[in-house]
Amino acid sequence: EVQLVESGGGLVQPGRSLRLSCAASGFIFGGFAMHWVRQAPGKGLEWVSGISSNSGSIGYADSVKGRFTISRDNAKNSLYLHMDSLRADDTALYYCAKGGGSSAQFACDYWGQGTLVTVSS
Amino acid sequence: QSVLTQPPPASATPGQRVTISCSGSSSNIGSNSVNWYQQLPGTAPKLLMYSNNQRPSGVPDRFSGSKSGTSASLAISGLQSEDEAAYYCAAWDDSLNGWVFGGGTKLTVL
Repeated sequence: EVQLVESGGGLVQPGRSLRLSCAASGFIFGGFAMHWVRQAPGKGLEWVSGISSNSGSIGYADSVKGRFTISRDNAKNSLYLHMDSLRADDTALYYCAKGGGSSAQFACDYWGQGTLVTVSS
Repeated sequence: QSVLTQPPPASATPGQRVTISCSGSSSNIGSNSVNWYQQLPGTAPKLLMYSNNQRPSGVPDRFSGSKSGTSASLAISGLQSEDEAAYYCAAWDDSLNGWVFGGGTKLTVL
């Protein structure tokens, strides 16, 4: 059974940094692209970043480019999102999602339950 | 403002057939396949349809998808109370080099 468990969320002041983690199990982690997708309170889904299975291809939404960094450790079956210069509009539930193939262009087929990030002074 | 456009909230009665549309452009729906997600209240999204019209294992055949040009649609026949959820379309965007979502359509089953 595919399981994705996010952690690292919390309350952080504007301008500070935070690192999210996603622990994966139930599939061959190193064979699939992974993504972060966020959902602001009461709003829709927004793709944040994606990384191919071998980390050779990485992409970011314009809203986070230059501030967020995605990475993965296939030996540890883990996905990460390092977030710098956080702003109030980064407040959201951050989901870790598994891609359907090695490339980030495959649909996200499994999602974690999310970790809440609140940016406020 | 979402890149993909979906209609506002909708409501229907059990047994009815409903259709949810999703409109995009040549850089996303026009050149890539569309996926649909179902998000039940208080839960994570679930993949409902991929590659325009393919249902993952476990998704009832009451759900169907189609795509034409730069638009796509999700149809639900024989509506049931458990179908009350938000539905999102998504597609890869070649210009943005990333995934784009519709704003979501909240479906209420009366």
